[in-house]
Parts: sequence; structure tokens; C-alpha cells
Amino acid sequence: GAVVSQHPSRVICKSGTSVKIECRSLDFQATTMFWYRQFPKQSLMLMATSNEGSKATYEQGVEKDKFLINHASLTLSTLTVTSAHPEDSSFYICSAGWPSRSGNTIYFGEGSWLTVV
Amino acid sequence: GIQVEQSPPDLILQEGANSTLRCNFSDSVNNLQWFHQNPWGQLINLFYIPSGTKQNGRLSATTVATERYSLLYISSSQTTDSGVYFCAPSGAGSYQLTFGKGTKLSVIP
Repeated sequence: GAVVSQHPSRVICKSGTSVKIECRSLDFQATTMFWYRQFPKQSLMLMATSNEGSKATYEQGVEKDKFLINHASLTLSTLTVTSAHPEDSSFYICSAGWPSRSGNTIYFGEGSWLTVV
Repeated sequence: GIQVEQSPPDLILQEGANSTLRCNFSDSVNNLQWFHQNPWGQLINLFYIPSGTKQNGRLSATTVATERYSLLYISSSQTTDSGVYFCAPSGAGSYQLTFGKGTKLSVIP
């Protein structure tokens, strides 16, 4: 079935550096992918919609210059956290839709734990 | 956007017990999914259920779209069922899901 893969699963970086997280659709093409952020013991909050070949659409309150999203191909979207700070430490997870007979099922990557020290 | 309310927020079960989790949503939806998030953060898709009833082993789900709610049933619960269960609907023609706050389930031996 459809699978979405995310890498890395865990990353620790120093404050002020940048970190890139990849999201791949493994056996289907995804023109749209989504990036979510989840703080401890909270729900998933949509950060942005990644559109292949065009600019990402960011949710209100999400800094587009800080969270750079690139969707250069139909199977890959990347999220780069620039000039990371400890408050950026969080769980980041991506998703992509798989159109099936029963509708548009959404699949999620494994998620990435980011710790900024 | 769609508002999603899940209840109860927390649930503790003895192993073997049954439970029902509820999800209310504010608008018409074309997609609704239930997810289980394990302690490592991984989201597992349980059901795609915009309407009707589906069953998968000990789990089943029912969505009554006209009344804007969905239910997730867990029977004969096991410790491995522990985690957070999220309900996430989306609007017409959209892959964008809106997540409820989840129900944290703890199954104790």
C-alpha cells in the first residue's frame, strides 16, 4: 500500500544552525504534502501545505522564512528549520494523500523529533 | 475551518475491557480518519470512514455524517492499544486534515 517515509527520525542540532527534514512518498506521486508540528501532549497543528512546483502555503502564525518548504519533485518535500532555537524543538510530521477507490486516504510519515540545544 | 471535539480526553481501561471514543465535528466532511499515535510518535491510520461502519479485528468505527459524529470502538483492549487516538476530518476534495485533541488511552494489565 501507499507509504510515506520521513528522515531523519531524530536529530539534535546546535542553536543557530539549520536542519533539513525529508518527506518522501515511496510508491505514489504526491502533488500535495502537508507538514505538521506537535508539541508534547498536544494535538497536531498544520504548519503548511507543500505544493509540487510552486510555493508552499503557510498557516497563520507560521514563519515562512524560518520554516522553508521545498517540493521539488512529486515524491519529495523538504522542511528546513533555519537558525534553529530551543523553542523550535518539537515533533514534526508530514503527510500525503493517496487517492483510492474509497476516497482520499491520508498517510503519515514516521515523524521527526527535533531537539535544539 | 472544521472544529473537532474528541471525548473523553483521557481513558484508563483494564485489559480486556471495551471502550467507545467519540468525535464530533462542526461541518460536513468528505473524509474522516481515525489514527493511533504510539508512544514513539508514529501515526497509524486505523480507518478511513467518511460514513458508515467498518471493522478491523477488535476495532470498529462508525460515522454518522448527517449528525456530524464518529465513534471508535475498541473491544477486548490490550496493553498495546495504549496511546493517543486522533480523529481527523477534512472537507470536500481536500487532503488537509484537522485534528482533534485526541483521547489518551491507557490499558493496564
